[in-house]
This record gives sequence, C-alpha cells and structure tokens, in this order.
Amino acid sequence: DAGITQSPRHKVTETGTPVTLRCHQTENHRYMYWYRQDPGHGLRLIHYSYGVKDTDKGEVSDGYSVSRSKTEDFLLTLESATSSQTSVYFCAISDTSGRDNEQFFGPGTRLTVL
Amino acid sequence: GQQLNQSPQSMFIQEGEDVSMNCTSSSIFNTWLWYKQEPGEGPVLLIALYKAGELTSNGRLTAQFGITRKDSFLNISASIPSDVGIYFCAGLITGGGNKLTFGTGTQLKVEL
Repeated sequence: DAGITQSPRHKVTETGTPVTLRCHQTENHRYMYWYRQDPGHGLRLIHYSYGVKDTDKGEVSDGYSVSRSKTEDFLLTLESATSSQTSVYFCAISDTSGRDNEQFFGPGTRLTVL
Repeated sequence: GQQLNQSPQSMFIQEGEDVSMNCTSSSIFNTWLWYKQEPGEGPVLLIALYKAGELTSNGRLTAQFGITRKDSFLNISASIPSDVGIYFCAGLITGGGNKLTFGTGTQLKVEL
C-alpha cells in the first residue's frame, strides 16, 4: 500500500469555524490531490499540487484553500466551514503526469459541519 | 463538472456468479482506471488501461479499454463475498492535466 496518511480521520465542527485537514505521504510522489466524496456525486477534485508551492484548482474549489510547503505534506483548509462541506475527504498521490496517472488514495477524513 | 456514466448503480448477485459493469462518457479518454472502495476506506486501484482495445487482467478481474475510447468495462469472474464494495471507474482526458474524472460507482453485494 502507498504510504499515505490523513489526519484527523474524523472531525465534527461548527459552521463558521476554520478547519485544516492534513495529508502526509512517505512515497516522495510529486503530485498530490484533494477530493471530496458525496452520495450521488462520486469523487470530485477540490485542489491539486504538482510540486512544492505549486497548486491549482479542481472542479469544486470554492470555499477551500490548499498549501504545500514540503513534498510530503498537502494541507486542505476550510476558512469558514459550512454545512455543505460535510463530506468525506480523500487525499491522493501520483508519481507521474499525463497518461500514466495512477493515483493512490489515503484512508479519508470524515468531516461533519453542524 | 463532467462525470462518467457508470452502470449498473448496484448489483446483488449470488456467490460464484460472474459480474459485468461498464462506464461510458461523451468524451475521449487516454487512460481508464478501475478502483474498489470498501466501507470506511479509500479507493484502491485495481486495474489501469492505457490503450484503446487493451484487455488487462488482475486475478479474477478483467478490464477493457473501449475501442471508441469513450467507454470501459470491468468483469469479475466467480464472485466471492470479499468482492463486496463499490467499484469506480476513472478517466483521464487529453489536455486535462493530471485530473481524473470519476464515475458514480457500482455497488456490488454478494449473497452467499
């Protein structure tokens, strides 16, 4: 299994509070991704990173920001959490771009915003 | 955003039966990936396909990259209880950078 951990694994927070989720990898992979998973929507890309300090938006980036100061860590921040951001968040990593884009997923973080 | 049409949405089959599911899109893909997800865990990569017409196996699993590049198929032979889970397809579009598009999943339940 790819060495990917996510923390916390579960979190309950209140509307309006800031939340930061962490993804940590030990594979030295260049690319890292944040997805959210909701019933009926599958996995949707929030943001991704193609190197240290290099990030870009995905399909559902509104209300989220990311940072990558080290190869191994990719942080997802909800500046002011809303109930619509209740979801399961997955981090993924890959070592190549373009065609051979095999992404490997972490165990997920279940976030509940009350 | 674009999503892949995956069918069936769910299947309830007897142990030992073969299973087929598919994924279709209006767009052409260069890569198709198939993942399995079990409750409380992240998706696990099963099979990767890189070439139109390609047929690739992983144990009892066989996946095919459609000739049109707009579809892919996954077959599971002689299903067993541990095959239970949600199966996702994902496609990579040319020019789309590193971003995969995922299907909505096929939930498989196996009856003993």
